[in-house]
Amino acid sequence: SQTIHQWPATLVQPVGSPLSLECTVEGTSNPNLYWYRQAAGRGLQLLFYSVGIGQISSEVPQNLSASRPQDRQFILSSKKLLLSDSGFYLCALRAQANTEAFFGQGTRLTVV
Amino acid sequence: DQQVKQNSPSLSVQEGRISILNCDYTNSMFDYFLWYKKYPAEGPTFLISISSIKDKNEDGRFTVFLNKSAKHLSLHIVPSQPGDSAVYFCAASAHRSGNTGKLIFGQGTTLQVKP
Repeated sequence: SQTIHQWPATLVQPVGSPLSLECTVEGTSNPNLYWYRQAAGRGLQLLFYSVGIGQISSEVPQNLSASRPQDRQFILSSKKLLLSDSGFYLCALRAQANTEAFFGQGTRLTVV
Repeated sequence: DQQVKQNSPSLSVQEGRISILNCDYTNSMFDYFLWYKKYPAEGPTFLISISSIKDKNEDGRFTVFLNKSAKHLSLHIVPSQPGDSAVYFCAASAHRSGNTGKLIFGQGTTLQVKP
């Protein structure tokens, strides 16, 4: 079965500090991988998606970046966090087209 | 550009009655639609999906209806139970030539089922 590991569950970071959130998946090969953010009281905003190693599509201009160094590893990064980066970050995988996406448990990021 | 819209931020129904959650989309290239349920501080969990070649899909208490001409889909929950109280998201994706299957979500509707 497909499994997503996302950590940490919660994170408090000062403004201007770097960020690295890691997501690893099991049980599938060459999945589509996604990073979403849910700001307080808002919907799920697609930040990045990847269809393969080294292939990243950015949906929203911002100070975040994503990388996929391995087939089952997806990393969300920032060099300098802003207060507006606070939110609930979710990693998701989709094994094939026209199938459901599975989500990790999320990381609650608070930038102070 | 909000391609997937859930115009009702909240819905309250009585236990045992029907819950109807609505979703509209603007991109005619979308060909696969999904509904998710989400509790606070957790990832969304998949409920039910429908392909654009169908207009209805049923799974237990959950039924999704798709009206392609109106670019509208709805989720029916019958009968509603207090445990159904959560935020519900609809999502859509396109897989035709030139599309890579990115999954776009609506803003969510908070459902409260009262005992």
